[in-house]
Formats: sequence, C-alpha cells, structure tokens
Amino acid sequence: DSGVTQTPKHLITATGQRVTLRCSPRSGDLSVYWYQQSLDQGLQFLIQYYNGEERAKGNILERFSAQQFPDLHSELNLSSLELGDSALYFCASSVGGPPLRSGNTIYFGEGSWLTVV
Amino acid sequence: AQKITQTQPGMFVQEKEAVTLDCTYDTSDPSYGLFWYKQPSSGEMIFLIYQGSYDQQNATEGRYSLNFQKARKSANLVISASQLGDSAMYFCAMREGGYGGATNKLIFGTGTLLAVQP
Repeated sequence: DSGVTQTPKHLITATGQRVTLRCSPRSGDLSVYWYQQSLDQGLQFLIQYYNGEERAKGNILERFSAQQFPDLHSELNLSSLELGDSALYFCASSVGGPPLRSGNTIYFGEGSWLTVV
Repeated sequence: AQKITQTQPGMFVQEKEAVTLDCTYDTSDPSYGLFWYKQPSSGEMIFLIYQGSYDQQNATEGRYSLNFQKARKSANLVISASQLGDSAMYFCAMREGGYGGATNKLIFGTGTLLAVQP
C-alpha cells in the first residue's frame, strides 16, 4: 500500500459526460501529480500541484482540469468525454520541496480505470 | 529534451535467475533522479528503487539493484533470484532537478514486460 488513495477504482461513462477523479496523497506529501496511461500514448504527465498551487503542466487537454484543496487532496475533472479518453488515470504524491539528495520518491495510487462508451 | 529509453519490449527469465532490464536516459540537467516502477497486470504502479545523480553508490533495495553508469547515461535494473511474482511491466523514469517541487514531474520510458518462467 503506497498510501495514495484514489477513487473511484473503476468508472464507465458515456461520451459527452463529465467525471471527477479524486486523490488523497500520502500523509505529509505536499505535491500531487496526475498521469494518464493509455495503450497508444503510454504514461503521460498531466499536471502537478504543490501545496495548493499549480506547479507544472504537461499534456493536459483543455477539457480536463484539476485542483488541489487546502487539505491537500486533489481532484481531476474530465469533461466532454470522448472514446479516446478511456485510460488508467494515476495520482501520485511526493513530499516536494528540497533537493533530489533527499530522494523525494514519488508514490502512485492504484489508479482509476476510466472507460468511455 | 529529457528522454528515457527502454529498448527491451519484453523479456523472459527463468525462476531463480537474475535479470537485467535496460534503461538509458538523456538530460542536460546535472541534478536528476532515476526511478524504477513495477506495474503488475492489476494495474497499480509500485515504486521499486531510486538513484540520485549525485549518489556515489549504486542503489539497492532487497532483490533490486540499480546499475548506475553516469557517463553512459544508463540506469539498468537488476533483479536477482527472480520469482514468479516478478512477472510484470517495468518502467524506468527520470525526474529532473528542481527546488520546492517545481519540476518534479516524472518522464517515463515505454516499459519492459518481464515474464518469469517456472
């Protein structure tokens, strides 16, 4: 158990719909990351939050948005869903902060399987 | 641009044998970290081992060790005494330096599917 909690584990929804994926980071971790894993794109970084603020943005579509709340949990909102959005969405967390000498390991949750039909 | 390359799409190994999974990386940042993750068929991403660019010693975690060759920009994962439960996809990933969590995102390779045979 990595300590990163993601809900829901599985989700099936129709095209055009909107879903919200939720993530609770490990206790004490300030950074939250979202990744998308699909067969054709592999593992793609979407976005990172650190202590409530957006820190880095990757290949995140405009139909997708995320936020990190004061209690450090994060939500990824996916709207106007398309068939191609079907993927495994990971949340990960790390302490964030000081240099790499500390390791600053990034731990992943079990993922949320999204199927768009 | 940062890049991680895993050239072995799939590998077989006999149970109890050692296996090396290859990973090369490219970065111009002197401060970076290298990670290996295991993804079994159930889907979760399990952290295995970490190597920092300034670390003098190769990282080890139980049966996992990282053969870090900085000049060659390689960070191969060695699994000793393979077990059936080691059958999974293995990903190498790199994080470039940054302070305050500024650029701590991971860039992943395409993965190597390892099958352990009895």
